[in-house]
Amino acid sequence: DIQMTQSPSSLSASVGDRVTITCRASQSINNDLNWYLQKPGKAPKLLIYAASSLQSGVPSRFSGSGSGTDFTLTISSLQPEDFATYYCQQSFRTWTFGLGTKVEVK
Amino acid sequence: QITLKESGPPLVRPTQTLTLTCTFSGFSLSTNGVGVGWVRQPPGKALEWLALIYWDDDKRYSPSLRRRLTITKDTSKNQVVLTMTDMDPVDTATYFCAHGLRSFDWSFDFWGQGTLVTVSS
Repeated sequence: DIQMTQSPSSLSASVGDRVTITCRASQSINNDLNWYLQKPGKAPKLLIYAASSLQSGVPSRFSGSGSGTDFTLTISSLQPEDFATYYCQQSFRTWTFGLGTKVEVK
Repeated sequence: QITLKESGPPLVRPTQTLTLTCTFSGFSLSTNGVGVGWVRQPPGKALEWLALIYWDDDKRYSPSLRRRLTITKDTSKNQVVLTMTDMDPVDTATYFCAHGLRSFDWSFDFWGQGTLVTVSS
């Protein structure tokens, strides 16, 4: 199995902050890495696929980078609606999610 | 417009078999490069991928749950069914189905609202 390690598990930030979340795979997954946002009681929402491709309708303040084993999700200027839990997911060999990063209000 | 909706029993007894149905619209599961997957989330915990079925009827299962899972599709009814045997209280979770697309790197771009399944005697 490919394991996905996200860090940090939680962070506190303010509106307007630049936020960075990292995800590390236990082996190389090329660029087969996707990012999701989930709010309480709701289904996850796809933000980024193939490491850096922005899903249609997702604001440009979200960006993804990385390849191989190390990946990053960046929110350039945090907005009130961005307080949520973020998950990475590898789709290189079946699928595995990270344990999530909760972005909370500072 | 793609939509998916999960249905199934809200309560299952330990050792019973869970059967969940995903009914979808807006796409065909006979189209090349399309798949439907299942993901679950125990209360307050992370997402866990369970299974996926491809347009060509190929199937993939979570290695840790493989022996308990079966995924099938009925293309004519636009449905995907997941069965999980030998249910245990630790299987209490919200179960989601999701649309996957090869052209989106097999990410899950559309999700159902989820259905909460509680395992309890």
